[in-house]
Amino acid sequence: AQSVAQPEDQVNVAEGNPLTVKCTYSVSGNPYLFWYVQYPNRGLQFLLKYITGDNLVKGSYGFEAEFNKSQTSFHLKKPSALVSDSALYFCAVREEDNYGQNFVFGPGTRLSVLP
Amino acid sequence: DTGVSQDPRHKITKRGQNVTFRCDPISEHNRLYWYRQTLGQGPEFLTYFQNEAQLEKSRLLSDRFSAERPKGSFSTLEIQRTEQGDSAMYLCASSPTIGTADTQYFGPGTRLTVL
Repeated sequence: AQSVAQPEDQVNVAEGNPLTVKCTYSVSGNPYLFWYVQYPNRGLQFLLKYITGDNLVKGSYGFEAEFNKSQTSFHLKKPSALVSDSALYFCAVREEDNYGQNFVFGPGTRLSVLP
Repeated sequence: DTGVSQDPRHKITKRGQNVTFRCDPISEHNRLYWYRQTLGQGPEFLTYFQNEAQLEKSRLLSDRFSAERPKGSFSTLEIQRTEQGDSAMYLCASSPTIGTADTQYFGPGTRLTVL
């Protein structure tokens, strides 16, 4: 069964500094990996995904993520954080060709960008 | 740009009452998902439709929960005899069947409070 870990409940970073939100995963086959962001009292917004190809994936709002197969990681990064990036971030994984409950979310990491 | 919509956004009910939520997916999306999210947690899969067929149900989904998607467009989630433990955010997502690796797009959610 698939699983996702986000080892940090909270990440604090100063505005203008680079940020990293960590994610590790476990699947039997080829992973499809996703990052979503959630603002207070809102649904999840899709940021980016890795399906195949280049290990560095670029997404919305200047975010990018790097797929590392040997470390089973898919860390979210941004070169220069904004206060408006403060939100809850979820990593999710599903196995290629599996749907439904095989789309598993991590517990979330709260990002606080301090002015 | 019409995204996924959910109605109502908030619902307060007394224990033992029945509630029904509606989800309108993005119009060309064939797949529709329901998730439940409690405070500080990632979304948990409840059920999934492809067109009008309900293909999977989570073991989390008790007999008090039922979902329908009668014409393959909008969906409803009904909770009968609500319990305080049902208090959560109920999220709906939709995805196309081809081209995006089942990238799910979420609605704003319905927040249920059971008193």
